[in-house]
Amino acid sequence: SQQGEEDPQALSIQEGENATMNCSYKTSINNLQWYRQNSGRGLVHLILIRSNEREKHSGRLRVTLDTSKKSSSLLITASRAADTASYFCATFRGGKLIFGQGTELSVKP
Amino acid sequence: DAGVIQSPRHEVTEMGQEVTLRCKPISGHDYLFWYRQTMMRGLELLIYFNNNVPIDDSGMPEDRFSAKMPNASFSTLKIQPSEPRDSAVYFCASSPITGQNQPQHFGDGTRLSIL
Repeated sequence: SQQGEEDPQALSIQEGENATMNCSYKTSINNLQWYRQNSGRGLVHLILIRSNEREKHSGRLRVTLDTSKKSSSLLITASRAADTASYFCATFRGGKLIFGQGTELSVKP
Repeated sequence: DAGVIQSPRHEVTEMGQEVTLRCKPISGHDYLFWYRQTMMRGLELLIYFNNNVPIDDSGMPEDRFSAKMPNASFSTLKIQPSEPRDSAVYFCASSPITGQNQPQHFGDGTRLSIL
């Protein structure tokens, strides 16, 4: 069963715009991870945010975590065509990393 | 440094044939994971190993699936006999240790089509 649910399922924006993806989860967590998957490639780890953190930055990525709402968001600022990919949140449950269904981001030049 | 290496990248075979997928984890990583990705079910963990020993195979769909890790640098996922519903992308991932704070490193997958 999926622990994380991403929203929206698909997002299309113009280059230079910001992209925001959301993830909701069901059980309590110690941390939440975000991964990117380019077409035809494997997943790449982007960022991990711990449950005692509210916000974390990495380059053009900004992740927030609201444990009271059991939700996280990933913001990509000043998007580029190369950001076109699927983005997944993942949480650790029962000894396993459980992935959401992902948000498919398309950035048009 | 080389990442996780999977072979073949694509496999097309007929129903009933045996399929073997291969994975070489990152050197020094003690944990190896096999995942399956489909449109309907997303990314599912099939099995994972620690120091070459299978720890949790509860995600293996049925007895037709088997996985081995004969040494620290090689693992196989075998399907025998294969069925059309096994068509998916199969990923191998590794990590130096496991636990809640550890990212996993993925290979580029094997796209399997069973006709």
